[in-house]
Amino acid sequence: QSALTQPASVSGSPGQSITISCTGTSSDVGGHNYVSWYQQHPDKAPKLMIYEVTNRPSGVSNRFSGSKSGNTASLTISGLQAEDEADYYCSSYTSSSTLVFGGGTKLTVL
Amino acid sequence: QVQLVESGGGVVQPGRSLRLSCAASGFAFSSYGMHWVRQAPGKGLEWVAAIWYDGSNKYYGDSVKGRFTISRDNSKNTLFLQMNSLRAEDTAVYYCARDSSGSGGAFDSWGQGTMVTVSS
Repeated sequence: QSALTQPASVSGSPGQSITISCTGTSSDVGGHNYVSWYQQHPDKAPKLMIYEVTNRPSGVSNRFSGSKSGNTASLTISGLQAEDEADYYCSSYTSSSTLVFGGGTKLTVL
Repeated sequence: QVQLVESGGGVVQPGRSLRLSCAASGFAFSSYGMHWVRQAPGKGLEWVAAIWYDGSNKYYGDSVKGRFTISRDNSKNTLFLQMNSLRAEDTAVYYCARDSSGSGGAFDSWGQGTMVTVSS
């Protein structure tokens, strides 16, 4: 169960858009549509932002969107706001019926 | 409202055991798959274990397989994690999480976490 690969950090200015990638294999990201994204602020529990690749839970801003191509999933945040500054994690169901997280990406809003 | 409250964390010596609990309320606990996820200090999230809504299937991460056991008591709306043969690398905040996609891993509700420190 190797962790999914995410960039360690990304940054953007308020109002801009950023994209965080999440690369796995055909046994996880590429083989299922159970990819989720979580936002975590310091000392807080994670919050679900995207599930099943593209779906947004009720209450999550439509500035957050998800997509997938092959073995790579992506989270895009448009119209960056200061409160978006946080750590972001992807996760995927695997062919072994287990789950795997990405290493996490620290988003800095400049 | 949905609430998950973990308990049972603490400081334990290497090789010893600890049992975590997660009390659920505000939803039909027996209808949801449940998971444990941990986070070592300053590190990322690591999936630990999952259990189906009825307890019929259980899955574990490689790093805890054979040492940890996930279980649930649907009559008491409680999830458990029995941790044996604890190691220093098991030191982490342990979260329980509700899976809104069956077992696909969409964790829509999380507890506040309970800290486990393995140290002599």
